[in-house]
Amino acid sequence: GAVVSQHPSRVICKSGTSVKIECRSLDFQATTMFWYRQFPKQSLMLMATSNEGSKATYEQGVEKDKFLINHASLTLSTLTVTSAHPEDSSFYICSARPTSRNTGELFFGEGSRLTVL
Amino acid sequence: SQELEQSPQSLIVQEGKNLTINCTSSKTLYGLYWYKQKYGEGLIFLMMLQKGGEEKSHEKITAKLDEKKQQSSLHITASQPSHAGIYLCGAGASNTGKLIFGQGTTLQVKP
Repeated sequence: GAVVSQHPSRVICKSGTSVKIECRSLDFQATTMFWYRQFPKQSLMLMATSNEGSKATYEQGVEKDKFLINHASLTLSTLTVTSAHPEDSSFYICSARPTSRNTGELFFGEGSRLTVL
Repeated sequence: SQELEQSPQSLIVQEGKNLTINCTSSKTLYGLYWYKQKYGEGLIFLMMLQKGGEEKSHEKITAKLDEKKQQSSLHITASQPSHAGIYLCGAGASNTGKLIFGQGTTLQVKP
Protein backbone atom coordinates (compact mmCIF):
# COMPACT_ATOMS: atom_id res chain seq x y z
CA GLY A 1 0.00 0.00 0.00
CA ALA A 2 0.88 3.64 -0.30
CA VAL A 3 3.23 5.04 2.30
CA VAL A 4 3.18 8.44 3.93
CA SER A 5 6.13 9.34 6.08
CA GLN A 6 6.39 12.03 8.72
CA HIS A 7 9.53 13.50 10.22
CA PRO A 8 10.40 13.92 12.98
CA SER A 9 8.35 11.37 14.85
CA ARG A 10 9.09 13.10 18.13
CA VAL A 11 10.34 16.59 18.88
CA ILE A 12 10.86 18.50 22.08
CA CYS A 13 11.43 22.22 21.92
CA LYS A 14 11.58 25.24 24.15
CA SER A 15 8.72 27.69 24.36
CA GLY A 16 9.05 30.43 21.77
CA THR A 17 10.91 28.43 19.18
CA SER A 18 9.58 27.21 15.83
CA VAL A 19 9.29 23.59 14.80
CA LYS A 20 8.93 22.16 11.29
CA ILE A 21 7.24 18.83 10.61
CA GLU A 22 7.50 17.16 7.21
CA CYS A 23 4.96 14.95 5.51
CA ARG A 24 6.11 12.97 2.49
CA SER A 25 4.28 10.64 0.18
CA LEU A 26 6.91 8.05 -0.66
CA ASP A 27 5.45 6.19 -3.61
CA PHE A 28 2.76 8.45 -5.01
CA GLN A 29 2.06 12.07 -5.81
CA ALA A 30 -0.44 14.04 -3.81
CA THR A 31 -1.83 17.37 -4.95
CA THR A 32 -3.57 17.70 -1.62
CA MET A 33 -2.46 16.73 1.85
CA PHE A 34 -4.20 17.26 5.17
CA TRP A 35 -2.93 18.15 8.61
CA TYR A 36 -4.67 16.94 11.76
CA ARG A 37 -4.02 17.43 15.45
CA GLN A 38 -4.83 14.92 18.13
CA PHE A 39 -4.82 15.61 21.85
CA PRO A 40 -4.48 12.74 24.32
CA LYS A 41 -7.44 10.40 24.30
CA GLN A 42 -9.25 12.54 21.76
CA SER A 43 -10.03 12.12 18.11
CA LEU A 44 -8.32 13.77 15.18
CA MET A 45 -9.21 17.36 14.42
CA LEU A 46 -8.60 18.67 10.92
CA MET A 47 -6.40 21.75 10.98
CA ALA A 48 -5.85 22.58 7.34
CA THR A 49 -5.77 21.42 3.77
CA SER A 50 -2.42 21.74 2.08
CA ASN A 51 -2.57 22.45 -1.66
CA GLU A 52 0.43 22.01 -3.92
CA GLY A 53 1.40 25.30 -5.48
CA SER A 54 -1.18 27.39 -3.67
CA LYS A 55 -2.15 28.61 -0.22
CA ALA A 56 -3.37 26.23 2.41
CA THR A 57 -6.98 26.29 3.54
CA TYR A 58 -7.39 26.50 7.29
CA GLU A 59 -10.28 25.23 9.39
CA GLN A 60 -12.17 27.63 11.58
CA GLY A 61 -10.29 28.47 14.72
CA VAL A 62 -6.87 27.49 13.39
CA GLU A 63 -4.42 30.40 13.21
CA LYS A 64 -2.72 30.45 9.83
CA ASP A 65 0.13 32.63 11.12
CA LYS A 66 0.72 30.18 13.93
CA PHE A 67 0.67 27.04 11.82
CA LEU A 68 2.46 27.72 8.55
CA ILE A 69 1.89 25.18 5.82
CA ASN A 70 3.94 24.85 2.67
CA HIS A 71 3.30 22.34 -0.10
CA ALA A 72 6.27 22.89 -2.34
CA SER A 73 6.09 19.68 -4.34
CA LEU A 74 3.70 16.86 -5.14
CA THR A 75 5.32 14.67 -2.50
CA LEU A 76 6.06 17.05 0.36
CA SER A 77 4.05 19.23 2.70
CA THR A 78 5.49 20.92 5.77
CA LEU A 79 3.82 22.24 8.89
CA THR A 80 5.72 24.82 10.91
CA VAL A 81 4.52 25.61 14.40
CA THR A 82 5.77 29.13 15.00
CA SER A 83 6.58 30.53 18.43
CA ALA A 84 5.48 27.29 20.02
CA HIS A 85 3.92 27.29 23.48
CA PRO A 86 3.12 24.40 25.84
CA GLU A 87 -0.52 24.38 24.69
CA ASP A 88 0.72 23.50 21.20
CA SER A 89 2.02 20.21 22.53
CA SER A 90 0.09 17.57 20.64
CA PHE A 91 0.24 14.71 18.16
CA TYR A 92 0.27 16.08 14.61
CA ILE A 93 -0.62 13.74 11.79
CA CYS A 94 -0.88 14.22 8.05
CA SER A 95 -2.78 12.39 5.35
CA ALA A 96 -2.54 12.27 1.58
CA ARG A 97 -4.68 11.06 -1.28
CA PRO A 98 -2.93 9.70 -4.36
CA THR A 99 -3.65 12.04 -7.25
CA SER A 100 -3.47 9.29 -9.84
CA ARG A 101 -5.91 6.92 -8.16
CA ASN A 102 -9.63 7.39 -7.97
CA THR A 103 -10.27 4.83 -5.27
CA GLY A 104 -10.85 7.39 -2.55
CA GLU A 105 -8.20 5.82 -0.34
CA LEU A 106 -6.49 8.13 2.08
CA PHE A 107 -3.21 7.32 3.74
CA PHE A 108 -1.92 8.68 7.00
CA GLY A 109 1.57 9.29 8.25
CA GLU A 110 2.88 7.83 11.49
CA GLY A 111 2.38 11.13 13.27
CA SER A 112 4.71 13.56 15.00
CA ARG A 113 4.56 14.14 18.71
CA LEU A 114 5.45 17.68 19.69
CA THR A 115 6.29 18.57 23.26
CA VAL A 116 6.85 22.22 24.08
CA LEU A 117 8.61 22.89 27.36
CA SER B 1 -21.55 20.82 9.91
CA GLN B 2 -21.39 17.08 9.88
CA GLU B 3 -20.88 15.22 13.13
CA LEU B 4 -20.02 11.60 13.70
CA GLU B 5 -20.99 9.72 16.83
CA GLN B 6 -19.24 6.47 17.64
CA SER B 7 -20.48 3.88 20.10
CA PRO B 8 -19.41 2.45 22.36
CA GLN B 9 -16.59 4.77 23.42
CA SER B 10 -14.70 1.84 24.88
CA LEU B 11 -15.04 -1.90 24.77
CA ILE B 12 -13.40 -4.79 26.60
CA VAL B 13 -13.98 -8.26 25.21
CA GLN B 14 -12.64 -11.73 25.82
CA GLU B 15 -10.48 -13.19 23.10
CA GLY B 16 -12.57 -15.12 20.62
CA LYS B 17 -15.70 -13.04 21.10
CA ASN B 18 -17.39 -11.04 18.37
CA LEU B 19 -17.96 -7.32 18.66
CA THR B 20 -19.54 -4.42 16.80
CA ILE B 21 -18.69 -0.73 16.72
CA ASN B 22 -21.16 1.77 15.35
CA CYS B 23 -20.74 5.11 13.65
CA THR B 24 -23.72 7.41 13.14
CA SER B 25 -23.75 10.57 11.11
CA SER B 26 -25.95 13.64 11.42
CA LYS B 27 -25.92 13.95 7.63
CA THR B 28 -25.83 11.66 4.63
CA LEU B 29 -22.42 10.04 4.28
CA TYR B 30 -20.70 10.34 0.94
CA GLY B 31 -17.69 8.35 1.98
CA LEU B 32 -17.18 6.49 5.23
CA TYR B 33 -13.72 5.41 6.27
CA TRP B 34 -12.66 3.07 9.02
CA TYR B 35 -9.18 3.32 10.50
CA LYS B 36 -7.36 1.63 13.34
CA GLN B 37 -4.87 3.48 15.50
CA LYS B 38 -2.51 2.39 18.20
CA TYR B 39 -2.23 5.16 20.78
CA GLY B 40 0.39 7.70 19.71
CA GLU B 41 0.84 6.15 16.28
CA GLY B 42 -0.46 6.69 12.80
CA LEU B 43 -3.71 5.45 11.32
CA ILE B 44 -4.03 2.18 9.50
CA PHE B 45 -6.58 2.22 6.70
CA LEU B 46 -9.14 -0.57 7.08
CA MET B 47 -11.98 0.06 4.66
CA MET B 48 -13.91 2.69 2.77
CA LEU B 49 -17.63 2.52 2.00
CA GLN B 50 -19.49 4.73 -0.42
CA LYS B 51 -22.69 3.06 -1.57
CA GLY B 52 -25.83 2.53 0.47
CA GLY B 53 -26.01 -1.08 1.61
CA GLU B 54 -22.35 -1.67 0.82
CA GLU B 55 -20.45 -4.25 2.81
CA LYS B 56 -16.75 -5.01 2.75
CA SER B 57 -14.67 -7.59 4.56
CA HIS B 58 -10.99 -7.99 5.22
CA GLU B 59 -9.84 -10.98 7.21
CA LYS B 60 -12.05 -10.99 10.30
CA ILE B 61 -13.30 -7.44 9.99
CA THR B 62 -16.52 -6.52 8.19
CA ALA B 63 -17.84 -3.02 7.65
CA LYS B 64 -21.30 -2.08 6.47
CA LEU B 65 -22.99 1.13 5.39
CA ASP B 66 -26.76 1.28 5.75
CA GLU B 67 -29.08 2.02 2.85
CA LYS B 68 -29.75 5.55 4.05
CA LYS B 69 -25.99 6.16 4.27
CA GLN B 70 -26.13 7.62 7.75
CA GLN B 71 -24.87 4.72 9.80
CA SER B 72 -21.99 2.32 9.53
CA SER B 73 -20.95 -0.63 11.63
CA LEU B 74 -17.64 -2.41 12.02
CA HIS B 75 -17.85 -6.02 13.09
CA ILE B 76 -14.92 -8.12 14.30
CA THR B 77 -15.35 -11.86 14.39
CA ALA B 78 -13.43 -14.04 16.85
CA SER B 79 -11.43 -11.14 18.25
CA GLN B 80 -7.74 -11.49 18.99
CA PRO B 81 -5.34 -9.40 21.11
CA SER B 82 -3.94 -8.01 17.85
CA HIS B 83 -7.28 -6.32 17.22
CA ALA B 84 -6.81 -4.09 20.24
CA GLY B 85 -6.52 -0.38 19.52
CA ILE B 86 -8.56 2.68 18.74
CA TYR B 87 -11.04 2.42 15.91
CA LEU B 88 -11.97 5.64 14.17
CA CYS B 89 -14.64 6.31 11.61
CA GLY B 90 -14.13 9.25 9.31
CA ALA B 91 -16.53 10.82 6.85
CA GLY B 92 -16.00 12.97 3.84
CA ALA B 93 -16.28 13.23 0.10
CA SER B 94 -13.90 10.83 -1.60
CA ASN B 95 -12.99 13.43 -4.19
CA THR B 96 -11.67 15.89 -1.61
CA GLY B 97 -9.97 13.68 0.94
CA LYS B 98 -11.04 15.95 3.77
CA LEU B 99 -12.31 13.88 6.68
CA ILE B 100 -14.21 14.56 9.85
CA PHE B 101 -13.65 11.91 12.52
CA GLY B 102 -15.74 10.36 15.22
CA GLN B 103 -14.39 10.38 18.75
CA GLY B 104 -13.04 6.86 18.45
CA THR B 105 -13.72 3.53 20.13
CA THR B 106 -11.02 2.00 22.29
CA LEU B 107 -10.97 -1.77 22.09
CA GLN B 108 -9.22 -4.07 24.54
CA VAL B 109 -9.12 -7.81 23.95
CA LYS B 110 -8.34 -9.95 26.97
CA PRO B 111 -6.40 -13.14 26.31
